[in-house]
Amino acid sequence: TQLLEQSPQFLSIQEGENLTVYCNSSSVFSSLQWYRQEPGEGPVLLVTVVTGGEVKKLKRLTFQFGDARKDSSLHITAAQPGDTGLYLCAGDSGGSNYKLTFGKGTLLTVNP
Amino acid sequence: DTAVSQTPKYLVTQMGNDKSIKCEQNLGHDTMYWYKQDSKKFLKIMFSYNNKELIINETVPNRFSPKSPDKAHLNLHINSLELGDSAVYFCASSPGQGPYEQYFGPGTRLTVT
Repeated sequence: TQLLEQSPQFLSIQEGENLTVYCNSSSVFSSLQWYRQEPGEGPVLLVTVVTGGEVKKLKRLTFQFGDARKDSSLHITAAQPGDTGLYLCAGDSGGSNYKLTFGKGTLLTVNP
Repeated sequence: DTAVSQTPKYLVTQMGNDKSIKCEQNLGHDTMYWYKQDSKKFLKIMFSYNNKELIINETVPNRFSPKSPDKAHLNLHINSLELGDSAVYFCASSPGQGPYEQYFGPGTRLTVT
């Protein structure tokens, strides 16, 4: 079973600060996704990365897929209270049946 | 218009009972999933269906029986409920198998007492 380790597990910062969340594995993933989940709701997709070294930007969020496709990072600049939520990375190993393995998540709190 | 809906939102029941959770998607997707999220927020796949065919059964106890009457519906029946079954269950759908966006329902919080 492939494991995805996310760090930090919890992060509490002030509005305006920058932060980076990491997602690491010893296994290679053919694709990796980042989701954000708010309390009482299901996860919502932020981005999908499929190419090693790929960088994608979504407004103040920057996502990077490692060259070896074993790790990924999410960087948020000038965090806002609306960024508060549980950030989940999820990878697919590329087997015959597509299956997402989720990390345990990073719970981000941005204080005004 | 809700894309993926689940009923009920909350389910409180006693050990040993049998219960069902229903899921419907109006996105025209071919693939549907059931996930379990535990109290530590760890999300784990349970089942995946593609065009009503079971694709993934992630070593889930056979007390859990999914059923897909058509592509738009995926229900989950649980027999002989145990305390450890308490969790939030999410249904999701995607256009097909592959790195597509998965659209999640709002979840069903199951509490077994």
